[in-house]
Amino acid sequence: QLQLQESGPGLVKPSETLSLTCTVSGGSITSSIYYWDWIRQPPGKGLEWIGNIYNSGSTDYNPSLKSRVTISVEKSKNKFSLKLSSVTAADTAVYYCASRLRTTATPFDRWGRGTLITVSS
Amino acid sequence: DIQMTQSPSSLSASVGDRVTITCRASQSISSNLNWYQQEPGKAPKLLIYAASSLQSGVPSRFSGSGSGADFTLAISSLQPEDSATYYCQQSYTTPLTFGGGTKVEIK
Repeated sequence: QLQLQESGPGLVKPSETLSLTCTVSGGSITSSIYYWDWIRQPPGKGLEWIGNIYNSGSTDYNPSLKSRVTISVEKSKNKFSLKLSSVTAADTAVYYCASRLRTTATPFDRWGRGTLITVSS
Repeated sequence: DIQMTQSPSSLSASVGDRVTITCRASQSISSNLNWYQQEPGKAPKLLIYAASSLQSGVPSRFSGSGSGADFTLAISSLQPEDSATYYCQQSYTTPLTFGGGTKVEIK
């Protein structure tokens, strides 16, 4: 059973880079059958897809965040990571990692519990 | 980007009521529409995928319908544990996008 768990600093200062990791268990991060996604949710608001990685290195980002986002894989640790640069208070959110099968138009069927990241000085 | 519009944004209904939530896409997305339930403080949970397919383990009182640009999530007999926020999401193309959510409360 695939399980995902986010980890991160909790608090990031404005203008700095937010770094999060998602540890995958019950499956391999190098598996070609999954997309590995990041999604965020500002407090009291809706869900926003950030982007994904697949095939151990191919990425697809939301154009609204593309200039600031990097998603990568750490094969030896079975993790994938999110880096979001030049953060502002608007980036305060619960960040979720999720996975979906790499077939046509599949849903997010596995989610981590989420981790709250607050951007504040 | 494909915009997803849900209505209503909130509703209040009694236990046993039939509840429907609608989701409209800004263009046709065929049947590439998914529904999620989110309880406070928890991650979203997949209920319905491909517009009408019930995810394993989800109670049969939940159902989905629609294709093209108009979709509906129905709860046939509302239960106390259904109090949550419901989101639709299109998986037709990136960027993947979600509706704004519908908060369901129990009277």
